[in-house]
Amino acid sequence: TQLLEQSPQFLSIQEGENLTVYCNSSSVFSSLQWYRQEPGEGPVLLVTVVTGGEVKKLKRLTFQFGDARKDSSLHITAAQPGDTGLYLCAGAGEYGNKLVFGAGTILRVKS
Amino acid sequence: DTGVSQDPRHKITKRGQNVTFRCDPISEHNRLYWYRQTLGQGPEFLTYFQNEAQLEKSRLLSDRFSAERPKGSFSTLEIQRTEQGDSAMYLCASSFQVLSYNEQFFGPGTRLTVL
Repeated sequence: TQLLEQSPQFLSIQEGENLTVYCNSSSVFSSLQWYRQEPGEGPVLLVTVVTGGEVKKLKRLTFQFGDARKDSSLHITAAQPGDTGLYLCAGAGEYGNKLVFGAGTILRVKS
Repeated sequence: DTGVSQDPRHKITKRGQNVTFRCDPISEHNRLYWYRQTLGQGPEFLTYFQNEAQLEKSRLLSDRFSAERPKGSFSTLEIQRTEQGDSAMYLCASSFQVLSYNEQFFGPGTRLTVL
Protein backbone atom coordinates (compact mmCIF):
# COMPACT_ATOMS: atom_id res chain seq x y z
CA THR A 1 0.00 0.00 0.00
CA GLN A 2 1.38 3.37 -0.99
CA LEU A 3 1.24 6.05 1.68
CA LEU A 4 2.19 9.71 1.64
CA GLU A 5 3.01 11.56 4.83
CA GLN A 6 2.81 15.33 4.86
CA SER A 7 4.37 17.64 7.41
CA PRO A 8 3.63 19.82 9.13
CA GLN A 9 -0.10 19.22 9.53
CA PHE A 10 -0.73 22.84 10.39
CA LEU A 11 1.27 26.02 9.85
CA SER A 12 0.39 29.51 11.02
CA ILE A 13 2.78 32.25 9.93
CA GLN A 14 2.96 36.00 9.42
CA GLU A 15 2.75 37.60 6.02
CA GLY A 16 6.19 37.81 4.42
CA GLU A 17 7.64 34.70 6.04
CA ASN A 18 8.94 31.70 4.11
CA LEU A 19 7.78 28.14 4.64
CA THR A 20 8.34 24.60 3.41
CA VAL A 21 5.89 21.71 3.31
CA TYR A 22 7.16 18.17 3.01
CA CYS A 23 5.66 15.08 1.44
CA ASN A 24 7.38 11.75 2.12
CA SER A 25 6.86 8.12 1.23
CA SER A 26 8.67 4.81 1.17
CA SER A 27 7.14 4.15 -2.25
CA VAL A 28 8.27 5.33 -5.67
CA PHE A 29 5.79 7.39 -7.66
CA SER A 30 5.71 7.91 -11.41
CA SER A 31 4.59 11.48 -10.82
CA LEU A 32 3.60 13.68 -7.95
CA GLN A 33 1.09 16.48 -7.92
CA TRP A 34 0.48 19.37 -5.56
CA TYR A 35 -3.00 20.75 -5.07
CA ARG A 36 -4.46 23.63 -3.10
CA GLN A 37 -7.95 23.34 -1.67
CA GLU A 38 -10.26 25.99 -0.25
CA PRO A 39 -12.98 25.07 2.29
CA GLY A 40 -16.01 23.54 0.57
CA GLU A 41 -14.28 23.34 -2.82
CA GLY A 42 -12.41 20.72 -4.80
CA PRO A 43 -8.60 20.60 -4.99
CA VAL A 44 -7.00 22.83 -7.63
CA LEU A 45 -3.92 21.49 -9.39
CA LEU A 46 -0.81 23.61 -8.84
CA VAL A 47 1.95 21.53 -10.44
CA THR A 48 2.99 18.07 -11.59
CA VAL A 49 6.56 16.81 -11.16
CA VAL A 50 7.67 13.76 -13.06
CA THR A 51 11.45 13.46 -13.16
CA GLY A 52 13.60 12.67 -10.11
CA GLY A 53 15.36 15.84 -8.95
CA GLU A 54 13.00 18.06 -10.93
CA VAL A 55 12.41 21.60 -9.68
CA LYS A 56 9.46 23.69 -10.85
CA LYS A 57 8.65 27.27 -9.96
CA LEU A 58 5.26 28.92 -9.97
CA LYS A 59 5.73 32.58 -9.00
CA ARG A 60 6.61 32.44 -5.28
CA LEU A 61 6.11 28.67 -5.06
CA THR A 62 8.97 26.22 -5.67
CA PHE A 63 8.30 22.50 -6.00
CA GLN A 64 10.95 19.80 -5.88
CA PHE A 65 10.72 16.07 -6.60
CA GLY A 66 13.23 13.89 -4.77
CA ASP A 67 15.94 12.12 -6.75
CA ALA A 68 14.42 8.72 -5.95
CA ARG A 69 10.88 9.97 -6.68
CA LYS A 70 9.75 9.10 -3.16
CA ASP A 71 9.44 12.57 -1.69
CA SER A 72 8.67 16.14 -2.59
CA SER A 73 8.67 19.60 -1.07
CA LEU A 74 6.80 22.83 -1.59
CA HIS A 75 8.52 26.07 -0.62
CA ILE A 76 6.66 29.36 -0.49
CA THR A 77 8.64 32.60 -0.41
CA ALA A 78 7.20 35.72 1.21
CA ALA A 79 3.84 34.16 2.02
CA GLN A 80 0.71 36.26 1.55
CA PRO A 81 -2.76 35.93 3.11
CA GLY A 82 -4.03 34.71 -0.26
CA ASP A 83 -1.81 31.63 0.13
CA THR A 84 -4.01 30.45 3.01
CA GLY A 85 -5.54 27.04 2.31
CA LEU A 86 -5.06 23.29 2.46
CA TYR A 87 -2.07 22.02 0.48
CA LEU A 88 -2.23 18.41 -0.66
CA CYS A 89 0.40 16.25 -2.30
CA ALA A 90 -0.72 13.27 -4.37
CA GLY A 91 1.32 10.51 -5.94
CA ALA A 92 0.51 8.41 -8.99
CA GLY A 93 1.67 4.81 -9.23
CA GLU A 94 3.41 3.07 -12.09
CA TYR A 95 0.38 3.03 -14.35
CA GLY A 96 -0.67 6.52 -13.38
CA ASN A 97 -4.15 5.54 -12.37
CA LYS A 98 -5.47 6.49 -8.97
CA LEU A 99 -3.84 9.18 -6.89
CA VAL A 100 -2.71 8.54 -3.33
CA PHE A 101 -3.07 11.69 -1.25
CA GLY A 102 -1.35 12.91 1.85
CA ALA A 103 -3.51 14.19 4.70
CA GLY A 104 -2.67 17.77 3.80
CA THR A 105 -1.06 20.81 5.38
CA ILE A 106 -3.33 23.61 6.55
CA LEU A 107 -1.57 26.93 5.96
CA ARG A 108 -2.75 30.14 7.56
CA VAL A 109 -0.99 33.37 6.65
CA LYS A 110 -1.81 36.27 8.93
CA SER A 111 -1.58 39.87 7.77
CA ASP B 1 -13.29 26.83 -20.79
CA THR B 2 -15.46 24.55 -18.68
CA GLY B 3 -13.93 22.45 -15.96
CA VAL B 4 -15.33 19.45 -14.14
CA SER B 5 -18.82 20.06 -12.81
CA GLN B 6 -20.71 18.20 -10.10
CA ASP B 7 -24.34 18.23 -9.10
CA PRO B 8 -25.69 18.75 -6.52
CA ARG B 9 -23.14 20.73 -4.51
CA HIS B 10 -24.82 19.83 -1.25
CA LYS B 11 -27.13 16.98 -0.27
CA ILE B 12 -28.75 16.36 3.08
CA THR B 13 -30.54 13.07 3.48
CA LYS B 14 -31.90 10.81 6.17
CA ARG B 15 -30.26 7.54 7.03
CA GLY B 16 -31.57 4.73 4.85
CA GLN B 17 -32.38 6.89 1.84
CA ASN B 18 -30.72 6.52 -1.57
CA VAL B 19 -28.78 9.38 -3.14
CA THR B 20 -27.29 9.91 -6.59
CA PHE B 21 -24.59 12.35 -7.60
CA ARG B 22 -23.63 13.43 -11.11
CA CYS B 23 -20.25 14.39 -12.54
CA ASP B 24 -19.58 15.99 -15.92
CA PRO B 25 -15.88 15.76 -16.81
CA ILE B 26 -13.82 18.04 -19.03
CA SER B 27 -15.15 17.19 -22.49
CA GLU B 28 -12.04 15.72 -24.10
CA HIS B 29 -11.01 13.70 -21.05
CA ASN B 30 -11.33 9.93 -21.34
CA ARG B 31 -10.77 9.07 -17.68
CA LEU B 32 -13.10 9.87 -14.80
CA TYR B 33 -12.42 9.26 -11.11
CA TRP B 34 -14.43 9.34 -7.91
CA TYR B 35 -12.85 10.14 -4.55
CA ARG B 36 -14.22 10.64 -1.05
CA GLN B 37 -12.83 13.16 1.43
CA THR B 38 -13.63 13.36 5.11
CA LEU B 39 -12.75 16.23 7.42
CA GLY B 40 -9.05 16.54 8.09
CA GLN B 41 -8.06 13.97 5.48
CA GLY B 42 -6.93 13.97 1.88
CA PRO B 43 -9.20 12.49 -0.77
CA GLU B 44 -9.40 8.68 -0.94
CA PHE B 45 -9.81 6.86 -4.23
CA LEU B 46 -13.13 5.09 -4.84
CA THR B 47 -13.24 4.09 -8.50
CA TYR B 48 -12.31 5.15 -12.02
CA PHE B 49 -13.50 4.76 -15.59
CA GLN B 50 -11.69 4.82 -18.88
CA ASN B 51 -14.35 5.80 -21.38
CA GLU B 52 -17.37 3.71 -20.29
CA ALA B 53 -15.39 0.86 -18.69
CA GLN B 54 -15.02 0.80 -14.91
CA LEU B 55 -11.42 -0.37 -14.51
CA GLU B 56 -10.79 -0.28 -10.78
CA LYS B 57 -12.80 -0.16 -7.57
CA SER B 58 -11.45 0.48 -4.09
CA ARG B 59 -12.30 -1.74 -1.14
CA LEU B 60 -13.88 1.42 0.27
CA LEU B 61 -16.61 1.01 -2.33
CA SER B 62 -19.06 -1.23 -0.50
CA ASP B 63 -21.96 -3.03 -2.17
CA ARG B 64 -24.16 -0.05 -1.38
CA PHE B 65 -22.14 2.10 -3.77
CA SER B 66 -22.46 1.90 -7.53
CA ALA B 67 -20.98 4.08 -10.23
CA GLU B 68 -21.75 4.26 -13.92
CA ARG B 69 -20.49 6.08 -16.97
CA PRO B 70 -22.88 4.76 -19.63
CA LYS B 71 -21.73 6.69 -22.69
CA GLY B 72 -18.22 7.53 -21.64
CA SER B 73 -19.19 11.09 -20.84
CA PHE B 74 -20.91 12.00 -17.55
CA SER B 75 -20.89 9.64 -14.57
CA THR B 76 -23.22 8.97 -11.67
CA LEU B 77 -22.42 7.68 -8.20
CA GLU B 78 -25.31 6.16 -6.27
CA ILE B 79 -25.30 5.31 -2.59
CA GLN B 80 -28.10 3.04 -1.42
CA ARG B 81 -29.36 2.85 2.15
CA THR B 82 -27.16 5.69 3.30
CA GLU B 83 -25.46 5.51 6.70
CA GLN B 84 -24.13 8.32 8.86
CA GLY B 85 -20.61 7.15 8.05
CA ASP B 86 -21.23 8.02 4.40
CA SER B 87 -21.20 11.72 5.29
CA ALA B 88 -18.28 13.20 3.36
CA MET B 89 -17.29 15.31 0.37
CA TYR B 90 -17.55 13.27 -2.84
CA LEU B 91 -15.11 14.51 -5.45
CA CYS B 92 -14.98 13.76 -9.15
CA ALA B 93 -11.88 14.25 -11.29
CA SER B 94 -11.03 13.73 -14.94
CA SER B 95 -7.87 13.31 -16.99
CA PHE B 96 -6.70 12.67 -20.54
CA GLN B 97 -4.70 9.50 -20.41
CA VAL B 98 -2.16 9.68 -23.20
CA LEU B 99 0.74 10.93 -21.19
CA SER B 100 3.01 8.80 -19.05
CA TYR B 101 1.78 10.70 -16.04
CA ASN B 102 -1.73 11.48 -14.90
CA GLU B 103 -2.85 15.04 -14.23
CA GLN B 104 -6.27 14.92 -12.67
CA PHE B 105 -8.55 17.94 -12.53
CA PHE B 106 -11.16 18.02 -9.80
CA GLY B 107 -14.69 19.31 -9.65
CA PRO B 108 -16.09 21.35 -6.76
CA GLY B 109 -17.43 18.27 -4.98
CA THR B 110 -20.76 17.19 -3.53
CA ARG B 111 -21.04 17.57 0.25
CA LEU B 112 -23.24 14.75 1.62
CA THR B 113 -24.71 14.93 5.10
CA VAL B 114 -26.58 11.87 6.38
CA LEU B 115 -28.78 12.59 9.40
